[in-house]
Amino acid sequence: EVQLVQSGPEVKKPGESLKISCKDSGYSFTNYWIGWVRQMPGKGLEWMGIIYRGDSTTRYSPSFQGQVTISVDKSISTAYLQWSSLKASDTAMYYCARLASHTFDSWGQGTLVTVSS
Amino acid sequence: EIVLTQSPGTLSLSPGERATLSCRASQSVSSSYLAWYQQQPGQAPRLLIYGASSRATGIPDRFSGSGSGTDFTLTISRLEPEDFAVYYCQQYGSSPMYTFGQGTKLEIK
Repeated sequence: EVQLVQSGPEVKKPGESLKISCKDSGYSFTNYWIGWVRQMPGKGLEWMGIIYRGDSTTRYSPSFQGQVTISVDKSISTAYLQWSSLKASDTAMYYCARLASHTFDSWGQGTLVTVSS
Repeated sequence: EIVLTQSPGTLSLSPGERATLSCRASQSVSSSYLAWYQQQPGQAPRLLIYGASSRATGIPDRFSGSGSGTDFTLTISRLEPEDFAVYYCQQYGSSPMYTFGQGTKLEIK
């Protein structure tokens, strides 16, 4: 069974940095892409970017290019989403999901990020 | 950029009724790359349909998908209480690579 487990909720101040994680198990870690999806409060789903675990190739949505960094540590089967300087507008739920044939077929439980002064 | 527009925004129906949700693309989308997701309140999305018409593992056969080109439909033949949720369509294409529709909320009438 595919399982993606995300790190816990975060409360940060504007300007702070943050790195959240997504650990997977149950399948060959290196053979899939992992994507990140944002959901702002009361809003819909927005694709942020994807990373291929095999060689760390990344693709970003133009809306998020330069705003976040996606990375992976194959040794611990974990993908990451990080910010260098958070803004209040980054407050949202963030989901990781496995990508198979361009479909997000398994999702993490989500990480709630709250940015407030 | 391909924009997916879902309609209606909110659909009010009763258990046992048939639900028809629409997803219209601003440009032609490959049927192979059109998916539908269900999101219950407070939960992560769940894949329902991929390739426009194939049900994901464990999805009941009351859920079906159809369509091609720019018009796609998710049909729930007989609504169960657990089907009342928000539904999103999603496509893969050119930049941005992945886009979601804005969602349709299916609520109990």
